[in-house]
Amino acid sequence: DTEVTQTPKHLVMGMTNKKSLKCEQHMGHRAMYWYKQKAKKPPELMFVYSYEKLSINESVPSRFSPECPNSSLLNLHLHALQPEDSALYLCASSKNMNTEAFFGQGTRLTVV
Amino acid sequence: AQSVSQHNHHVILSEAASLELGCNYSYGGTVNLFWYVQYPGQHLQLLLKYFSGDPLVKGIKGFEAEFIKSKFSFNLRKPSVQWSDTAEYFCAVNNYGQNFVFGPGTRLSVLP
Repeated sequence: DTEVTQTPKHLVMGMTNKKSLKCEQHMGHRAMYWYKQKAKKPPELMFVYSYEKLSINESVPSRFSPECPNSSLLNLHLHALQPEDSALYLCASSKNMNTEAFFGQGTRLTVV
Repeated sequence: AQSVSQHNHHVILSEAASLELGCNYSYGGTVNLFWYVQYPGQHLQLLLKYFSGDPLVKGIKGFEAEFIKSKFSFNLRKPSVQWSDTAEYFCAVNNYGQNFVFGPGTRLSVLP
């Protein structure tokens, strides 16, 4: 299994809603990442978990809250988002923080 | 902070033409280097990677890249492109777990 699975594929939420994005991998990888990608732009790193501990937080607003319940799962909790937060949210995993990352298909988020 | 630049925003080629996409990075220490491809509507896929050793690395689908340390460059090449190579290409740099940074991307359009 070389897949990173993200759910849901699409999400529309209001600015007062609370929702969560989920990511799962079964490759035994110990580093997991959240990226944000706007149209025609490169992915921007948001968070990195290494061995289930938050290793990097790229000054992301607190309305985005990551969680790593175990080595296979990564969540991104969303609360009080703004329309400018609409983007493709990508999850990735890698064996460790020094190796190549494998990406999921992403969740297309629209904030209305 | 490290940064990655890509020479071309949009490259248009005819089928069978040769391809070279430029990538330069700013970090002076030891880095791992990657090229990723994003086909329309699909997730990011790893084309090739360089960690150490032979600076000429071969990847999937006939792509190769050359690491030139003195020039801080990692250019992507393919001798003969196909229409199916139409995609967005991202160079990425990882400086040993500190960060994983993508370049701005180069859009390749191959005309049949």
